[in-house]
Amino acid sequence: SQQGEEDPQALSIQEGENATMNCSYKTSINNLQWYRQNSGRGLVHLILIRSNEREKHSGRLRVTLDTSKKSSSLLITASRAADTASYFCATVPNQAGTALIFGKGTTLSVSS
Amino acid sequence: ETGVTQTPRHLVMGMTNKKSLKCEQHLGHNAMYWYKQSAKKPLELMFVYNFKEQTENNSVPSRFSPECPNSSHLFLHLHTLQPEDSALYLCASSPRNGGSYEQYFGPGTRLTVT
Repeated sequence: SQQGEEDPQALSIQEGENATMNCSYKTSINNLQWYRQNSGRGLVHLILIRSNEREKHSGRLRVTLDTSKKSSSLLITASRAADTASYFCATVPNQAGTALIFGKGTTLSVSS
Repeated sequence: ETGVTQTPRHLVMGMTNKKSLKCEQHLGHNAMYWYKQSAKKPLELMFVYNFKEQTENNSVPSRFSPECPNSSHLFLHLHTLQPEDSALYLCASSPRNGGSYEQYFGPGTRLTVT
């Protein structure tokens, strides 16, 4: 069953601009993770934010979590062409075992 | 490289064939996963192994048969597949099963069933 849902489904920006992707989920969670996938390749873990955290940074990435709204956002600042990829949020529902459940993803295209 | 390798990278098979996908992780992890990624669908968890024991089977048809001989290796045996089984099959590992751990993914096997 799908837990996380990313928005928008697709995003096109110019190099140097910021990109913001959102994730909404349905049930209470233990943590939320963001992954990146380059075309036809495996997923790469970007960042994990726990349910008691509100914001986390990693390089040009900033993730926020609002458990009251059941939503998270991923901000990529000063985007580069190499950031072109699909981005997925994944959650672990508190009541549904321990497996990660992924959303459908946001496809980001950064043009130079 | 993530430390998780998958072979083959591409596979074309007929519906009556039997083939196997292989996954190996060099990270000392104890949990391994098989996922199916089809176009325009969320990543679907298929199987979970924790310390070589299968802990989750997400209602996967019996034409997919997993095998985990040790914590470093995971196989997915395929037989009498259907065209709708064509997809990218991803293997992942984590220190243990559980959502507190990030997962490390292999590059995937692109499977085409003809």
